[in-house]
Amino acid sequence: EVQLVQSGAEVKKPGESLKISCQGSGYEFGGWWIGWFRQMPGKGLEWMGIIYPHNSEAYYSPSFQGQVTISVDKSISTAYLQWSSLKASDSGMYYCARFSAPTLTANRFDPWGQGTLLTVSS
Amino acid sequence: QSALTQPPSASGSPGQSVTISCAGTSSDVGAYNYVSWYQQHPGKAPKLIIYEVTQRSSGVPDRFSGSKSGNTASLTVSGLQAEDEAEYYCSSYAGSINTYVFGPGTMVTVL
Repeated sequence: EVQLVQSGAEVKKPGESLKISCQGSGYEFGGWWIGWFRQMPGKGLEWMGIIYPHNSEAYYSPSFQGQVTISVDKSISTAYLQWSSLKASDSGMYYCARFSAPTLTANRFDPWGQGTLLTVSS
Repeated sequence: QSALTQPPSASGSPGQSVTISCAGTSSDVGAYNYVSWYQQHPGKAPKLIIYEVTQRSSGVPDRFSGSKSGNTASLTVSGLQAEDEAEYYCSSYAGSINTYVFGPGTMVTVL
């Protein structure tokens, strides 16, 4: 079974750094793109960026470029989403998802991780 | 503000059909046949139900169907069941810069 398991909920203060993780299993991790998404409380989904574990090629949404860093450790089948200086407005639920199509135009993310809830508050 | 436009809510009685619209532009929905629909139950992760406008994801019942006309895509749920009560999000490929855009979601209520 293809599965993505994300790290647990985090409570952080503004200005702190953070790295959350997404570990894949049940498939060849290096061969499939992984996307990251934000869902703010009571709001819709926003695509943040995507990374190809095989060679760490990554693309970012213009809304998140420079705000977060997406990385991967292929040796442990894990993708990461990182902040260097958190803001209260970063609070929300963050999901990873496997891109399940041969070309990036196909817009097919399946399955999704269970989500990581981030709370940033002083 | 979401790039795509969806009605905030839709409802129907068990056994009835409900159709959700997803309005985009000639740069996203109208330009590509890469519209997807995701179902999200409260407190759960999204689940892909439709991709490439009309294709059902594995295991999704054929009560779910997708279509597109011009810049607007639609999701129809036929024979509504209690477990269909959820938030539904449309998404479209939007080119190499904006890549994947979403609608704000439509809450489907089974009366």
